[in-house]
Amino acid sequence: GAGVSQSPSNKVTEKGKDVELRCDPISGHTALYWYRQSLGQGLEFLIYFQGNSAPDKSGLPSDRFSAERTGGSVSTLTIQRTQQEDSAVYLCASSFFGISYEQYFGPGTRLTVT
Amino acid sequence: DAKTTQPNSMESNEEEPVHLPCNHSTISGTDYIHWYRQLPSQGPEYVIHGLTSNVNNRMASLAIAEDRKSSTLILHRATLRDAAVYYCIETGGSNYKLTFGKGTLLTVNP
Repeated sequence: GAGVSQSPSNKVTEKGKDVELRCDPISGHTALYWYRQSLGQGLEFLIYFQGNSAPDKSGLPSDRFSAERTGGSVSTLTIQRTQQEDSAVYLCASSFFGISYEQYFGPGTRLTVT
Repeated sequence: DAKTTQPNSMESNEEEPVHLPCNHSTISGTDYIHWYRQLPSQGPEYVIHGLTSNVNNRMASLAIAEDRKSSTLILHRATLRDAAVYYCIETGGSNYKLTFGKGTLLTVNP
């Protein structure tokens, strides 16, 4: 079946602009995660959605970052007033609910802020 | 911070078995051990996970120590495609997010 898809695959933006990154999770997965991986850095958690519960936003690095998930499916990560340090690969993952379930990752969106 | 400890790098020859170790000395009784890998320029990929018993799937085997303070990911016959960074991660309680450490960079020689 279809995996997690993300768009765009690459995004180049100027410093100070807003960007929106999209994630389409696997159908039936109620949990959705956003992570990012900066050049030469490890993967870091950003935000987690589960069903209709309040999202876990504990990983968002600043209030310029926000995310929403509409209808329990598609999610959009928005970065306002982008900075050069926001340049990274942004990865989305989805899973069934529960700690024993594996997460399936999308191919990521490579964001470059010039 | 990641709660697991892994060697920074390991090397193997093609078609030989590979044993990737992981220490998780502070693991609680209900925490799972997950392994993911990340091939170059790709997103992470699930490999295997377990709680107490050893586990096998089509990709690998997971051997969990009796005291659960360590585990070993076993690739039975390494291929060039197995060259990747392998991450050992604990998940438990209400903590559903994956906390990635630096992982082990596996190099497979032809």
